[in-house]
Amino acid sequence: GESVGLHLPTLSVQEGDNSIINCAYSNSASDYFIWYKQESGKGPQFIIDIRSNMDKRQGQRVTVLLNKTVKHLSLQIAATQPGDSAVYFCAETLGYQLIWGAGTKLIIKP
Amino acid sequence: EPEVTQTPSHQVTQMGQEVILRCVPISNHLYFYWYRQILGQKVEFLVSFYNNEISEKSEIFDDQFSVERPDGSNFTLKIRSTKLEDSAMYFCASSVRQINQPQHFGDGTRLSIL
Repeated sequence: GESVGLHLPTLSVQEGDNSIINCAYSNSASDYFIWYKQESGKGPQFIIDIRSNMDKRQGQRVTVLLNKTVKHLSLQIAATQPGDSAVYFCAETLGYQLIWGAGTKLIIKP
Repeated sequence: EPEVTQTPSHQVTQMGQEVILRCVPISNHLYFYWYRQILGQKVEFLVSFYNNEISEKSEIFDDQFSVERPDGSNFTLKIRSTKLEDSAMYFCASSVRQINQPQHFGDGTRLSIL
């Protein structure tokens, strides 16, 4: 079965509002997680990562939260902009490979 | 900012033909990967490569697939006898270390098998 999955396939957000993209994972042994952004016609772009010994990590306009108790990961984007429109993937590491979720499409409404 | 580059961006090949997809990883990275993404589906791991040998491969990576680092900069994926179901986006990635380091991706090669 799937090791990583997403709750919502599509998320529509008003420009300027905050976005929250969620992800569930099932492998409790995973110790490193990454969020990627994929724009149309491009490869996945690294956004932010977090190790399992942390609950929260902040970047520029983005925050990742990790809840190991319920095996849940979220990506928060502050003040969403049109350029944030993309598909967002969470991924966990298992050995040498990344295990990917299905992706959430973020749509920004003007 | 250094980036992973892939060529060609689009490859059209007849079924049964051999195809080679090329990648130039980021220069100081030591770990290299291939993934594929069939249209509308998740990204799937194919293979990882370190120190001139395969370190891990998935069930997808069967005898029809091979990887090579022919020189100090290129990393290639070869499919010997392509099948229709090989049609997908193929992404190359690289990382400095294997553990707790993000993998950086190229923009992919779209492989279309006719």
